[in-house]
Amino acid sequence: SYVLTQPPLVSVAPGNTARITCVKSNIESRSVHWYQQTPGQAPVLVIFHDSDRPSRIPERFSGSNSGNTATLTISGVEAGDEADYFCQVWDTSRDRWIFGGGTKLTVL
Amino acid sequence: EVQLVQSGAEVKKPGESLKISCKGSGYSFPIYWIGWVRQMPGKGLEWMGFTYPSDSDTRYSPSFQGQVTISVDKSINTAYLQWSSLKASDTAIYYCVRLKGGSYWADPIDYWGQGTLVTVSS
Repeated sequence: SYVLTQPPLVSVAPGNTARITCVKSNIESRSVHWYQQTPGQAPVLVIFHDSDRPSRIPERFSGSNSGNTATLTISGVEAGDEADYFCQVWDTSRDRWIFGGGTKLTVL
Repeated sequence: EVQLVQSGAEVKKPGESLKISCKGSGYSFPIYWIGWVRQMPGKGLEWMGFTYPSDSDTRYSPSFQGQVTISVDKSINTAYLQWSSLKASDTAIYYCVRLKGGSYWADPIDYWGQGTLVTVSS
């Protein structure tokens, strides 16, 4: 099956860098999007097409995609970054969007 | 300002039908793909399908094909998600979403509705 694997939990101290991974064989051949969801809220797009950032998203958020791993990097983590993060790619074999299982980012 | 405003929470019994709505505003409704994403309680996101209001071209996730119907009325800038016979396992938050561009297979979701909680219980 087409599965995007994310770590369930990433913890980081304020001011440090958080890296959230999304793993799938040859994911670099796909365009990856990332969403942030805070409790009780709808998700928000934070990175699209691997590394593009919507204008309203801080520069602290960046993305990369190489080999089997796409990575969302959050520099200078703040308490407000605490949320669930989901990656998303298009599964060409079944013509469907797939989301990763989500990663909960906790700020220590 | 782009907005997707969804209809309110619903409580239904198994076997009942339901149609929830999503009204778009602040953009040219016909030329952006609009669709639905499910989030079951405490779980992740699942894509259900999209429709292109201009010509009603509709694409479903294989997981939801035949289980729901996505439709649109471009005259009132509104998309719909419909069930003919609800099950308890349909209990979830349903988000209306808009795609950033014209390619449903490539473009991200750039706007989300506030979500509609559907509870199915006897």
